[in-house]
Amino acid sequence: GAVVSQHPSWVICKSGTSVKIECRSLDFQATTMFWYRQFPKQSLMLMATSNEGSKATYEQGVEKDKFLINHASLTLSTLTVTSAHPEDSSFYICSAKPLANTGELFFGEGSRLTVL
Amino acid sequence: GNSVTQMEGPVTLSEEAFLTINCTYTATGYPSLFWYVQYPGEGLQLLLKATKADDKGSNKGFEATYRKETTSFHLEKGSVQVSDSAVYFCALRGSGGYNKLIFGAGTRLAVHP
Repeated sequence: GAVVSQHPSWVICKSGTSVKIECRSLDFQATTMFWYRQFPKQSLMLMATSNEGSKATYEQGVEKDKFLINHASLTLSTLTVTSAHPEDSSFYICSAKPLANTGELFFGEGSRLTVL
Repeated sequence: GNSVTQMEGPVTLSEEAFLTINCTYTATGYPSLFWYVQYPGEGLQLLLKATKADDKGSNKGFEATYRKETTSFHLEKGSVQVSDSAVYFCALRGSGGYNKLIFGAGTRLAVHP
């Protein structure tokens, strides 16, 4: 199946710094990518929908200035957690919708962020 | 709004036991329903899906039937293996084609030899 890769898979940073997480579709083009956040023992919560070449659409309660999303190409979307704090520590997962829309989404392996 | 409720885990079974993980949903219209699996250290993978009432999705010995009358999509497998140990997520996508998925909380399955 199609492959979606996230980088880094885990990152530890100091409070107040910014962290960028990349989501790449390796063997297909993705017009739309979704960013999820997963808390321990909880479900995936959709944070935002990222469309190539346009502004991301954020879910209610998600701070767009805190979680900057850029979808610069059909194979890359980035999530930047700005001025990270310990409460931002979480598992962030992206998924991608292929240009050839089959209705299926493909998920990255996730990125674990720990803010000290 | 749309929501998914699935049974809490963890579910612990012996190898070759029968598995059921319950999933019910709330949605307007005619959603599509999915089961995703997350193996340790990996991303989510689509396990099976059903797009209309009475459809049965199946894959790798797992099955789930879209029951509109009971708004359910329970996951079943007749004989589990140790390799089935993972977290299973039930999800729905609302009607209209938009690919926004709503996930349940996930159910961890541990299968012992």
